[in-house]
Amino acid sequence: QQQVKQSPQSLIVQKGGISIINCAYENTAFDYFPWYQQFPGKGPALLIAIRPDVSEKKEGRFTISFNKSAKQFSLHIMDSQPGDSATYFCAASILTGANNLFFGTGTRLTVIP
Amino acid sequence: DGGITQSPKYLFRKEGQNVTLSCEQNLNHDAMYWYRQDPGQGLRLIYYSQIVNDFQKGDIAEGYSVSREKKESFPLTVTSAQKNPTAFYLCASRTRQARWDGYTFGSGTRLTVV
Repeated sequence: QQQVKQSPQSLIVQKGGISIINCAYENTAFDYFPWYQQFPGKGPALLIAIRPDVSEKKEGRFTISFNKSAKQFSLHIMDSQPGDSATYFCAASILTGANNLFFGTGTRLTVIP
Repeated sequence: DGGITQSPKYLFRKEGQNVTLSCEQNLNHDAMYWYRQDPGQGLRLIYYSQIVNDFQKGDIAEGYSVSREKKESFPLTVTSAQKNPTAFYLCASRTRQARWDGYTFGSGTRLTVV
């Protein structure tokens, strides 16, 4: 059972465009939602994260939008660059307790020049 | 530099063999995790350990075993009982004190059955 559902599976965006990746969850106990960026042959690295008490968080060109009532959150990459080409994973966890991360299935982003 | 070291980077296993993947961290993190990554399936949790000498099964523990004799080390053994072991294996660690994520991942080991 996939705790976090992610779409699309792959995404191709023109340089300078906006990349949007969506995730949805069911467990309302989740209270921490990070996004990870992974380049081929490397481990994932934390990109940006949000708590459900805010609806949006922005860091540079990366923005997380969070809709608590819909149990959905999304990553927006503004002014997408070829260097952003990577696989992106959303995740969710409960900060107390074991704090295990539940990952989405990943989105392979390709930014074409 | 602090971080997580996974070795080897590439590993080939013959049918019926057990192999052990190494994961070492010098971040003084309490918790350590093993994930398996397959195309289109994201990262799935195999085993995790919150403290030394204690570990719990994740979602796909069958055919795998771990030990946590030292805080710095969390080796994963892929046994012959694992029917489809070819995958990319990722080790991660986390400090239990952090309110935010604090997950640090290694660079992974790619295991191939030959």
